[in-house]
Amino acid sequence: NAGVTQTPKFQVLKTGQSMTLQCAQDMNHNSMYWYRQDPGMGLRLIYYSASEGTTDKGEVPNGYNVSRLNKREFSLRLESAAPSQTSVYFCAISRTFEGYTFGSGTRLTVV
Amino acid sequence: DQQVKQNSPSLSVQEGRISILNCDYTNSMFDYFLWYKKYPAEGPTFLISISSIKDKNEDGRFTVFLNKSAKHLSLHIVPSQPGDSAVYFCAASPLQGAQKLVFGQGTRLTINP
Repeated sequence: NAGVTQTPKFQVLKTGQSMTLQCAQDMNHNSMYWYRQDPGMGLRLIYYSASEGTTDKGEVPNGYNVSRLNKREFSLRLESAAPSQTSVYFCAISRTFEGYTFGSGTRLTVV
Repeated sequence: DQQVKQNSPSLSVQEGRISILNCDYTNSMFDYFLWYKKYPAEGPTFLISISSIKDKNEDGRFTVFLNKSAKHLSLHIVPSQPGDSAVYFCAASPLQGAQKLVFGQGTRLTINP
């Protein structure tokens, strides 16, 4: 998934621990998104950022915070991880006609 | 409230035959629809899209049909190939440019040799 880089690819956390998922793009797009993918639930929007310095809640924002410090980077933070946050997290940027370009994902397990 | 629904979690098709994946939506404000394909351990990738001003869009082996009155779209893959085995997501947006896409639950397609 050239253009959108997510780190880390895998992470195991204990309940209550915090972590930040990083996303960076080199495609110079304004809009960036964080989704989570769960079995039977599809992809659900957590937070999005229409431009540098702005963020808005999506469908499932509880337990998460985001930061869009510059045009290139959009981070997702779990302040106190819970088992319900075990999921695969995808960052995406928005492109005309083709919808989104996604990163390769972060697989997070909270034990 | 699931605005975009893919009611078939899985589909198995013989190689060379047609695969038909279905998607229903409830929000009449949606007017741009997309299909994404996802392989394990990768992010979804764009496959094909359709605007509500059309009822069909083709790209090689892939054709998307839109029935606005029924709020239904389908993806046809002909002929199906083993490399088509993946999870397919349909998505919808009220605007072209695809701000804040709403996704379905996904359908796992398996192509059998």
